Amino acid sequence: AQTVTQSQPEMSVQEAETVTLSCTYDTSENNYYLFWYKQPPSRQMILVIRQEAYKQQNATENRFSVNFQKAAKSFSLKISDSQLGDTAMYFCAFSVYTGNQFYFGTGTSLTVIP
Amino acid sequence: DSGVTQTPKHLITATGQRVTLRCSPRSGDLSVYWYQQSLDQGLQFLIQYYNGEERAKGNILERFSAQQFPDLHSELNLSSLELGDSALYFCASSVAGDHRNSPLHFGNGTRLTVT
Repeated sequence: AQTVTQSQPEMSVQEAETVTLSCTYDTSENNYYLFWYKQPPSRQMILVIRQEAYKQQNATENRFSVNFQKAAKSFSLKISDSQLGDTAMYFCAFSVYTGNQFYFGTGTSLTVIP
Repeated sequence: DSGVTQTPKHLITATGQRVTLRCSPRSGDLSVYWYQQSLDQGLQFLIQYYNGEERAKGNILERFSAQQFPDLHSELNLSSLELGDSALYFCASSVAGDHRNSPLHFGNGTRLTVT
């Protein structure tokens, strides 16, 4: 079975500081993709960053970066220089090459404090 | 703008009624996924279609059904509605039937309220 676990239901960070959101997953597959999606109060789902499991180099998108530890099945998201607009629910997700589903975690609600 | 269009944005209806939610995927995307997000809940996968055929089914109730048409737009039909069906329903699309370099692109959702 494929599962995604986000153990931090809520987090907060001061504006301009750095925060790390945790995600672990469980799969017996070797080839898969990992994603972080952001859902702001507007409720729109926005792709933040993605990582191919076969790549050792951690993905980076501007202020967003991941720490991918394949052996530990861990995929954390680091947000640097947090901005008020980063306030949102963040979902970790993964999909396997051979499957047809995306597996989502239960989300972490992040609040950026002015 | 993700390129995925969902209509209507909001829908209010009574228990026992039937509604249809519509989704137009991004241009070039062959797969359509439907998700349900209840208040303060995560995303529950309902069903996936690829190029007109059902590809995967999740926790979709028997009262719910979906289809994907030849022009690749999809409809989610919800019948005998109950109060607990009130939720945000997302459609997402991707290029392929599998996920090689093919993330999900979400529409803005349809907010269904059952009274």
